[in-house]
Amino acid sequence: KAGVTQTPRYLIKTRGQQVTLSCSPISGHRSVSWYQQTPGQGLQFLFEYFSETQRNKGNFPGRFSGRQFSNSRSEMNVSTLELGDSALYLCASSLGLAGSDEQFFGPGTRLTVL
Amino acid sequence: AQSVTQPDIHITVSEGASLELRCNYSYGATPYLFWYVQSPGQGLQLLLKYFSGDTLVQGIKGFEAEFKRSQSSFNLRKPSVHWSDAAEYFCAVAPSGGYQKVTFGTGTKLQVIP
Repeated sequence: KAGVTQTPRYLIKTRGQQVTLSCSPISGHRSVSWYQQTPGQGLQFLFEYFSETQRNKGNFPGRFSGRQFSNSRSEMNVSTLELGDSALYLCASSLGLAGSDEQFFGPGTRLTVL
Repeated sequence: AQSVTQPDIHITVSEGASLELRCNYSYGATPYLFWYVQSPGQGLQLLLKYFSGDTLVQGIKGFEAEFKRSQSSFNLRKPSVHWSDAAEYFCAVAPSGGYQKVTFGTGTKLQVIP
């Protein structure tokens, strides 16, 4: 069974631009969660989608948004990029809700904002 | 809101020595608790989880963790560390029921010396 895949793996953008990251969960998994990982901050929860509905949202500004498609694939979008958005963005999928199940993580998308 | 604290940012142990990584959580009721490991260049992998029942939980790779309600702790242990255990370890907590977000600690980086 294929694991969680994320594309692209690396991105370089400039301030003010927008970016879209993609995540394909493990087949059959209905939950997709997104996290921002930065040194010293650990993993900061962005949002969780389950069956195309946003179930939970973290404390990030509205510039961060996401969606989930009927095949459970998910995208997250960051508009008006800031230098502080430079981070590793991780996607994780689970059969059930993330809080009650094992999450399987993808390799991440490394975003650099110049 | 729940929170989780990993007081040790960095730990160094000798190969073959025992290991204990600390995790303290803040939540009104008994939460769901997780330990994940992130090896260099790899995604996060679940080591073990606690939902209820026996407070000593066995995981993969020879790890175990003990839930202590009175101390609000969920420390990870391994009796004999191998060089391949060098990685970053994350404790995570979610309110029981799984309907709310998973909160991760800031991580403990483990270095193993010969």
